[in-house]
Amino acid sequence: NAGVTQTPKFRVLKTGQSMTLLCAQDMNHEYMYWYRQDPGMGLRLIHYSVGEGTTAKGEVPDGYNVSRLKKQNFLLGLESAAPSQTSVYFCASTAGYQPQHFGDGTRLSIL
Amino acid sequence: GIQVEQSPPDLILQEGANSTLRCNFSDSVNNLQWFHQNPWGQLINLFYIPSGTKQNGRLSATTVATERYSLLYISSSQTTDSGVYFCAVEPWKSSASKIIFGSGTRLSIRP
Repeated sequence: NAGVTQTPKFRVLKTGQSMTLLCAQDMNHEYMYWYRQDPGMGLRLIHYSVGEGTTAKGEVPDGYNVSRLKKQNFLLGLESAAPSQTSVYFCASTAGYQPQHFGDGTRLSIL
Repeated sequence: GIQVEQSPPDLILQEGANSTLRCNFSDSVNNLQWFHQNPWGQLINLFYIPSGTKQNGRLSATTVATERYSLLYISSSQTTDSGVYFCAVEPWKSSASKIIFGSGTRLSIRP
């Protein structure tokens, strides 16, 4: 039972490049989330999904897009990366009214 | 929106000492979670505690929902307890089990 798996773990991009972060969970959870964590701060919600085929904006959605084509996967896309998007990105999932389970994070640097 | 404040922001202790971390929140909540972020950046679920008291080994947590605070107790601290401790709350009227993080307490345990 792997829980929540994020790929890749590290990535360096140049400004303007695009990329997709993948989150996969094997717990059959309905709800999935993408957060970013900046130095010295707690996590902030980017986007979330309440089920396959649904997505919604969180607290800091600008510059990101998401898709949930399969229940177990939640993808986070950066269409045109900017230095302000340098951060550590975490994915989480829950069945609802249960603890959120987190992946190990993706460290992303935009040069 | 709801405000989540953690105190103290930083705490340095000798191995073997006890500590109390506090989380105050400004509105009613459905639930509250405590996390430990270890030096490798992983977020570990400690407690899911909307009210009452729970214990797990040397750690225990108490949430007094009516007074809008939660406490995390760490007894007989070990160097492996070092890291950042976050509380996160699900606001009363939140949808999709979204949670709001505090800014954390950074705990350093000296050998």
